[in-house]
Amino acid sequence: DAGVIQSPRHEVTEMGQEVTLRCKPISGHDYLFWYRQTMMRGLELLIYFNNNVPIDDSGMPEDRFSAKMPNASFSTLKIQPSEPRDSAVYFCASIPHLNTGELFFGEGSRLTVL
Amino acid sequence: EDQVTQSPEALRLQEGESSSLNCSYTVSGLRGLFWYRQDPGKGPEFLFTLYSAGEEKEKERLKATLTKKESFLHITAPKPEDSATYLCAAKPRFETSGSRLTFGEGTQLTVNP
Repeated sequence: DAGVIQSPRHEVTEMGQEVTLRCKPISGHDYLFWYRQTMMRGLELLIYFNNNVPIDDSGMPEDRFSAKMPNASFSTLKIQPSEPRDSAVYFCASIPHLNTGELFFGEGSRLTVL
Repeated sequence: EDQVTQSPEALRLQEGESSSLNCSYTVSGLRGLFWYRQDPGKGPEFLFTLYSAGEEKEKERLKATLTKKESFLHITAPKPEDSATYLCAAKPRFETSGSRLTFGEGTQLTVNP
């Protein structure tokens, strides 16, 4: 299995631009998570999906952030408009079921907003 | 509020010099305590799950232990390839929002040859 695949690996954009991050979870995993990692706050859960349905989006910082999962093999995290404080590494992770804490993480998307 | 605190923030060891990393947690009933390893530019990689006080898990030079208030990651005779950031995370028993893990800030371990 190729693991969780994220794109792009690096994104540099200017303030106000729209950013879309993409994730392909491991096949057969019913749960998908979006995390954000910064030096100041560490790893924070933004949102997670079960069978393509958003279950908990309480970690999404603002209305500028939105996430979708149109099918079992694809999810997007969108920031519109982007701000410099959104600069972070965004990770996608998946698991087969909730009885495990063994998250399978992608390699992350490093976002820099100038 | 659930909280996970790791110490030290950074640790430098010589190859072969054993040591321990600490993870203190405060959660509303612990369902599981997890250790992850994160290499620069990579996502965290799962190492261990501990469920109850007194439990121990081992993998190569790493051994994780759990008490009612903290967990330790013991590194025996480390090698340079053990250099990474080690994260711990706690999962509360009675969570209402699925698989919400609370992560610590991590310990950045450097092992010099």
